[in-house]
Amino acid sequence: AQTVTQSQPEMSVQEAETVTLSCTYDTSESNYYLFWYKQPPSRQMILVIRQEAYKQQNATENRFSVNFQKAAKSFSLKISDSQLGDTAMYFCAFMKRVGGTSYGKLTFGQGTILTVHP
Amino acid sequence: DTAVSQTPKYLVTQMGNDKSIKCEQNLGHDTMYWYKQDSKKFLKIMFSYNNKELIINETVPNRFSPKSPDKAHLNLHINSLELGDSAVYFCASSQLAYEQFFGPGTRLTVL
Repeated sequence: AQTVTQSQPEMSVQEAETVTLSCTYDTSESNYYLFWYKQPPSRQMILVIRQEAYKQQNATENRFSVNFQKAAKSFSLKISDSQLGDTAMYFCAFMKRVGGTSYGKLTFGQGTILTVHP
Repeated sequence: DTAVSQTPKYLVTQMGNDKSIKCEQNLGHDTMYWYKQDSKKFLKIMFSYNNKELIINETVPNRFSPKSPDKAHLNLHINSLELGDSAVYFCASSQLAYEQFFGPGTRLTVL
């Protein structure tokens, strides 16, 4: 079974600064996806970024980027130029990649509460 | 247009009651899911249906029964509600496994 661990229950950052959220996972699979989801106070789950394990290049989406270390089973999220709207709970998640199927089970970490201060 | 909708958004009920949460998606996706987020914010998958067929069934009490009348709808019926069932329940849908779209969640409070 896969496990996902987020060791930082809470983080804070000043507006416009950079913050990194940590995530480690444990799996025996070689083909999988990793995700960061954001859950603001509205409780809507929003996909921030996705990484495919077979791709060596780290994914980036505007101010969000990841540092994917496959051998170390580490998947951190870097938020640059933090904005007040980034205040949310962030979840790291794992999904095994099963070829030919349109479904997959997300396994989530415990979440990290990020507060951006003005 | 709402992609994945859930009704109701809030549900307050007494222990022992039976309740249902409805989910609808207008994205044309083949797969739908139910996730539970407990009081500590931990999210865990409960069920998944693909083209009305149950394909993921995690260890969930059999008081929880999903039903998919068609591939755009996935309902969750809960019998004999217990205090520990209080949580936020999220519906999601996907056409590609790695792109799951979540609904707004239903906060269930059992008194």
